[in-house]
Amino acid sequence: DAKTTQPNSMESNEEEPVHLPCNHSTISGTDYIHWYRQLPSQGPEYVIHGLTSNVNNRMASLAIAEDRKSSTLILHRATLRDAAVYYCIDDKIIFGKGTRLHILP
Amino acid sequence: DADVTQTPRNRITKTGKRIMLECSQTKGHDRMYWYRQDPGLGLRLIYYSFDVKDINKGEISDGYSVSRQAQAKFSLSLESAIPNQTALYFCATSDLAHTSLRGPFFGQGTRLTVV
Repeated sequence: DAKTTQPNSMESNEEEPVHLPCNHSTISGTDYIHWYRQLPSQGPEYVIHGLTSNVNNRMASLAIAEDRKSSTLILHRATLRDAAVYYCIDDKIIFGKGTRLHILP
Repeated sequence: DADVTQTPRNRITKTGKRIMLECSQTKGHDRMYWYRQDPGLGLRLIYYSFDVKDINKGEISDGYSVSRQAQAKFSLSLESAIPNQTALYFCATSDLAHTSLRGPFFGQGTRLTVV
């Protein structure tokens, strides 16, 4: 089964950019890469998704490696409200443990 | 109104009891999922359904069953609840749109405690 791997946790300072990496070396050629985040006591919420090209939306940017074996979620200017667990998944919708992002004031 | 609604939001039940968690959606999606989340862990897929007549086991289906009563309804049953099924349960929906409307979209979760 396709599986994604992410660091367990990361820290960043408030108002600085954050780059969250994800490895998905076994992703199939037609599966999208999705990023979700989960705030405390809430269900996961959609952040961004992409197939091959880099993607931007109001929440974040997604940089996808040319070989599609990895991707990076970019939060351009982190705020305290961005502290959450971030998940990278493919179309199989199998979640791992995600990356817990801590934002330092 | 929420697009994906789970009932109940909280439930305490005794070991050996049968319990059903319900999920309904207004997004018109064909695909529905049930996950459980344990403290410090990610979400683990229990069952999923790609349409009304399709049911598939996920990563951890033992001890659970599901029913897809209609496109909009997907229920999860614990036939004989045990304490290690104490967890936060999430329902989700998705479809194949190549837009941000694709999902999955999650409900607010059901906190189940088995004593």
